[in-house]
Amino acid sequence: DQQVKQNSPSLSVQEGRISILNCDYTNSMFDYFLWYKKYPAEGPTFLISISSIKDKNEDGRFTVFLNKSAKHLSLHIVPSQPGDSAVYFCAASELNDMRFGAGTRLTVKP
Amino acid sequence: KAGVTQTPRYLIKTRGQQVTLSCSPISGHRSVSWYQQTPGQGLQFLFEYFSETQRNKGNFPGRFSGRQFSNSRSEMNVSTLELGDSALYLCASSLGGTAVATEAFFGQGTRLTVV
Repeated sequence: DQQVKQNSPSLSVQEGRISILNCDYTNSMFDYFLWYKKYPAEGPTFLISISSIKDKNEDGRFTVFLNKSAKHLSLHIVPSQPGDSAVYFCAASELNDMRFGAGTRLTVKP
Repeated sequence: KAGVTQTPRYLIKTRGQQVTLSCSPISGHRSVSWYQQTPGQGLQFLFEYFSETQRNKGNFPGRFSGRQFSNSRSEMNVSTLELGDSALYLCASSLGGTAVATEAFFGQGTRLTVV
């Protein structure tokens, strides 16, 4: 059962523009949400997170939005940079049970 | 502070064999989770261990098993390997405990190829 879904396997944006990556989840018990970035030949690295009591968390160029009623979260990167090109995984957790989406490959073109 | 260490980095096995992968978490972290990454499937959760006990388990067959030692190091075992088991196996460590899971730190993974 895929409790966390990223329906877009890939996304391509121009440098300087906004990148929006989306994620949906089905388990209403999830109370913490995270985004990870993964480069080839490396393990995923933590990017940004949000608690279920918030609807927005911002860290520099990265902002995560949470819509609990829609069970949807999104990651906004603005402005996008070529170095942001990677696979982005969203994750949702309940206590220490963390589930990941399939990932979205972001390509930022110069 | 040393990161999460997974050994070996690469492994080639034949069908029917069994394999053991190792993960050393960050010092002080008591929770270790294992994930399988395959193209198109993303990161699929295998299981999570905390204080030598399996707390959570994903939807994988019984051929996949694991354990955690008193020093929090964890091993994952796959028996009777199948071609479809070829994947990158990632382990992640976190503080664990009863707190809400925050960020987990991943190792570089073990690339398993079954031929």
